[in-house]
Amino acid sequence: ETGVTQTPRHLVMGMTNKKSLKCEQHLGHNAMYWYKQSAKKPLELMFVYNFKEQTENNSVPSRFSPECPNSSHLFLHLHTLQPEDSALYLCASSQGTSGFEQFFGPGTRLTVL
Amino acid sequence: RKEVEQDPGPFNVPEGATVAFNCTYSNSASQSFFWYRQDCRKEPKLLMSVYSSGNEDGRFTAQLNRASQYISLLIRDSKLSDSATYLCVVISSGSARQLTFGSGTQLTVLP
Repeated sequence: ETGVTQTPRHLVMGMTNKKSLKCEQHLGHNAMYWYKQSAKKPLELMFVYNFKEQTENNSVPSRFSPECPNSSHLFLHLHTLQPEDSALYLCASSQGTSGFEQFFGPGTRLTVL
Repeated sequence: RKEVEQDPGPFNVPEGATVAFNCTYSNSASQSFFWYRQDCRKEPKLLMSVYSSGNEDGRFTAQLNRASQYISLLIRDSKLSDSATYLCVVISSGSARQLTFGSGTQLTVLP
C-alpha cells in the first residue's frame, strides 16, 4: 500500500543522536498526525497539522519537534531522546480533522539506547 | 476513570463463534465513534464507523448506547483472519484534539 508511507521503518539511536522520521501521504488529505504507541498502552496523539498549520500539541516534550512543510509531508525531528521514548511512531492522515477516517502509515519502530 | 476504556482481553474463541466487545467512554459530549483493527506489528485500519442507529457490515455489527456511554462490536461466525486487536476511537466536539483511542481488545480465533 502506498497511501501513507513512513521512513525509516526501524531506527536505533543513542540518547545524544539527532534523527528525523519522515511521513508522506499520497491521498490528497489536508490533515496529518503523529502518534506514539507504546506496549500495552493506547495510541497517544502527539501532534496534529491541518493545512500545514499545527493545531494540536498534546504536551509533548520539546525533544520531539514536528515539521510540516506541505500537506503531503510530515517530519518528526528527534534529539536527546530517553530510553522511555522507545515506541512505535505512527503517522496518519485524514481529509479533515472533524470525524474523518484516519489512514495510518506502517510506523517507525524506534529504539533509544 | 479513563476517557475510553476497553477490556484488554485476550479473548480466545473457536472458529465460528460469536464474540462481542464493549468500549466505554467518559465524555458525554462525544460525537463520533469508530472501531479500528490492528494486526500484530501493523498499523491500525478503520473497520467501521459506529452510527447512532447501529450499523452492520457483513459479519460485523456496531452499536452505540449513548445513555450508558458505550459502543459495542459484535463479530459473528469468527474466522481465523479476525484475530487482531480491536481499538475503539471516540471523538468529542468534532475536533481532532479530542480524538481518543482505547487501549484495544485482543482477539484470537482458534482453529
